[in-house]
Amino acid sequence: SAVISQKPSRDICQRGTSLTIQCQVDSQVTMMFWYRQQPGQSLTLIATANQGSEATYESGFVIDKFPISRPNLTFSTLTVSNMSPEDSSIYLCSVGTGGKNGYTFGSGTRLTVV
Amino acid sequence: AQTVTQSQPEMSVQEAETVTLSCTYDTSENNYYLFWYKQPPSRQMILVIRQEAYKQQNATENRFSVNFQKAAKSFSLKISDSQLGDTAMYFCAFMKQSRYGNKLVFGAGTILRVKS
Repeated sequence: SAVISQKPSRDICQRGTSLTIQCQVDSQVTMMFWYRQQPGQSLTLIATANQGSEATYESGFVIDKFPISRPNLTFSTLTVSNMSPEDSSIYLCSVGTGGKNGYTFGSGTRLTVV
Repeated sequence: AQTVTQSQPEMSVQEAETVTLSCTYDTSENNYYLFWYKQPPSRQMILVIRQEAYKQQNATENRFSVNFQKAAKSFSLKISDSQLGDTAMYFCAFMKQSRYGNKLVFGAGTILRVKS
């Protein structure tokens, strides 16, 4: 299965600023997924990133707040823009081709907004 | 819409004993995949076991096994000979078919504490 390197592992940011999270995969993948996990909660899908096209956002998430780039088949970034304390969460990227191989996750980015 | 329900927010088990975590789901699809993921304090999501809906045989991975009841839409995880390293949050997940790609829908999670 794929190996994902996610950076940064954690950050503390001032409100009103932006943070870009990077995910690098060791193999080419079509779809990459970005999740948010609020403290003590489950994972919520933010968007699906397909190389060469705009990301598809889930209900409640918008591109202006969470712009995503997918310049090639091994890399993606998620930016959390104009942050507020409510954005304090763990953000995870994931790749997977379907049920047979399951889905692999990055190690997550713990974001604290102060 | 597919939903996944984990009715046990927290569970405890003594080391070396067996514990079962519950999961139910709702879907109108016939072919799908179900997963159990483990998230220890390190935050890393680790795939524990997967089940293909068209297979009647329950999946098994070493000490981990599932009881898959398709008609009842139930997918419980049994951990045998529990070890301290099994302490983690466990998520049940359903793979949802979408024209944008297959996506995972997660349950709320169950915190499992293994006690010595």
